[in-house]
Amino acid sequence: GIQVEQSPPDLILQEGANSTLRCNFSDSVNNLQWFHQNPWGQLINLFYIPSGTKQNGRLSATTVATERYSLLYISSSQTTDSGVYFCAVAIRYNFNKFYFGSGTKLNVKP
Amino acid sequence: EAQVTQNPRYLITVTGKKLTVTCSQNMNHEYMSWYRQDPGLGLRQIYYSMNVEVTDKGDVPEGYKVSRKEKRNFPLILESPSPNQTSLYFCASSILGGSTGELFFGEGSRLTVL
Repeated sequence: GIQVEQSPPDLILQEGANSTLRCNFSDSVNNLQWFHQNPWGQLINLFYIPSGTKQNGRLSATTVATERYSLLYISSSQTTDSGVYFCAVAIRYNFNKFYFGSGTKLNVKP
Repeated sequence: EAQVTQNPRYLITVTGKKLTVTCSQNMNHEYMSWYRQDPGLGLRQIYYSMNVEVTDKGDVPEGYKVSRKEKRNFPLILESPSPNQTSLYFCASSILGGSTGELFFGEGSRLTVL
């Protein structure tokens, strides 16, 4: 199956700092999403972004499908941004199967 | 409110005692799927369903069964649970699966098998 690699695995930030999370994938994808898993375990949709750039408040994401990577930018981080960030992809030739990266664990300190 | 609802949220059971985790969505989505989350492994897909009566295996289907008799419901069945099925389980739905659109997740079901 496809390999989905996220980096860094762990990240500690001071409140107010900016960060970039990366998701690399090993095959052509039909679908790419970013999720935030909060400390209570809930998975929150951040972006559906198989290609291009999107922004939502302090968060933005860019996917360069031809180069097989996606970036999630967090600006002016807040303690509520803490948690684990996952990217998930569905590949072109079997788009009903989703593959997740192992996540980036973010800890924003006040 | 659009949502995916799982029950139970927490369950402790013993080896071999059959259990069912229910999943229901109210968004009229065609696609539904189950995942398990284990430390350091991210989420792994167990089964998915493209429509009523159409299901297929994900990457870790062993020890699980599913059925899709109605569009809104997609229960996960553990016929004879074992301790290695202790995990956090998520159900998700989407309009048309990975071809387009977002996955929406339920709140998760934490299962412990003793």
